[in-house]
Amino acid sequence: LAKTTQPISMDSYEGQEVNITCSHNNIATNDYITWYQQFPSQGPRFIIQGYKTKVTNEVASLFIPADRKSSTLSLPRVSLSDTAVYYCLVGGNGNNRKLIWGLGTSLAVNP
Amino acid sequence: GAVVSQHPSRVICKSGTSVKIECRSLDFQATTMFWYRQFPKQSLMLMATSNEGSKATYEQGVEKDKFLINHASLTLSTLTVTSAHPEDSSFYICSAREGGRSSYNEQFFGPGTRLTVL
Repeated sequence: LAKTTQPISMDSYEGQEVNITCSHNNIATNDYITWYQQFPSQGPRFIIQGYKTKVTNEVASLFIPADRKSSTLSLPRVSLSDTAVYYCLVGGNGNNRKLIWGLGTSLAVNP
Repeated sequence: GAVVSQHPSRVICKSGTSVKIECRSLDFQATTMFWYRQFPKQSLMLMATSNEGSKATYEQGVEKDKFLINHASLTLSTLTVTSAHPEDSSFYICSAREGGRSSYNEQFFGPGTRLTVL
């Protein structure tokens, strides 16, 4: 299972765009990249998933370079409610696909 | 869609008692469910993986006789913490994966259960 590395923490201000980069040098060919958000005392919430290039949904964008050894989660115009821990995970197919969680990035959005 | 519930959301018990936590997939059939534990300011730690109708697969270091997992149906898995001790106090989270989904990593998480053992 590929290991991921993210910054431990980030600070931002309301209305700014936040980019969180994750390194996954040992990503396998069939691995997808998935990002989750977690608020204190709550279960993680799926944000976005991608395999290559760019994926965009209503809450975020995910940029994946051609070598797929890293990925960047982009949150446009963050608000105070985006203060949370963001986890980057990689994994592939399989009925018992396990997710190995790193420490994540603790994002603090300030007024 | 893809909602997972947990019950109870919070439980306080005395040392030595057993506590059962339920995890339900409300609008889909979960062929695989996962149980995690999370200590304060730490990441999620996978405890075990369970498939409907079969025995759970426990991660290294997790005592299967202490953390009993039952996945009797496609919508329900239970975790029983037997003879709980204060060091078992933690945030327990379940997740469920729908069989046949094309999103390989997409697990749907429950809201978690806060266990406090006095």
